[in-house]
Amino acid sequence: EAQVTQNPRYLITVTGKKLTVTCSQNMNHEYMSWYRQDPGLGLRQIYYSMNVEVTDKGDVPEGYKVSRKEKRNFPLILESPSPNQTSLYFCASSGRRQGQNEAFFGQGTRLTVV
Amino acid sequence: DAKTTQPPSMDCAEGRAANLPCNHSTISGNEYVYWYRQIHSQGPQYIIHGLKNNETNEMASLIITEDRKSSTLILPHATLRDTAVYYCIVSSRGSQGNLIFGKGTKLSVKP
Repeated sequence: EAQVTQNPRYLITVTGKKLTVTCSQNMNHEYMSWYRQDPGLGLRQIYYSMNVEVTDKGDVPEGYKVSRKEKRNFPLILESPSPNQTSLYFCASSGRRQGQNEAFFGQGTRLTVV
Repeated sequence: DAKTTQPPSMDCAEGRAANLPCNHSTISGNEYVYWYRQIHSQGPQYIIHGLKNNETNEMASLIITEDRKSSTLILPHATLRDTAVYYCIVSSRGSQGNLIFGKGTKLSVKP
């Protein structure tokens, strides 16, 4: 089954404690991206990757890092989380071959930073 | 990528067709119209996309005006499970992995 898997689904952490949210896709997709969703602000892109070792900043990259060492994985790293990073996070992937038109999204990670 | 404009909310009676409009007056020739929906706080789900011809799949139909400046997503027989936020996104082929979401339309299907 084609899927994007995020872990963990829920996380409560304290300010300043480094954390990583993992994202993995099983569709051999080139593109992967991270979004955060906040009430009233909608889905905003954090980082974007077109392929292995290629990443670009989205609209709200401050406070986040990503890496794309393998095609299937695209972890989101918060080196020093702060309360304003409390949010619902989504990972997405899509392919660039003919016929690959849709982006697939993970089920989300709800992060609370206290 | 071109911007889109959608009404913030719409209601639809269960079993009736839901017609969701989207304006994208600055769309360029190589840009497609994509529709996604998000049910509650789940991950967004792809519905349909098109370039200039009308499209239909098992979920919905997409009607694009001849000048391509607007489109309508049609859910032919809305059910309560279609209650969701619907996003219209314009993006060039090859950028469908770099989707920029607007605020979308909150569709409420009522019994």
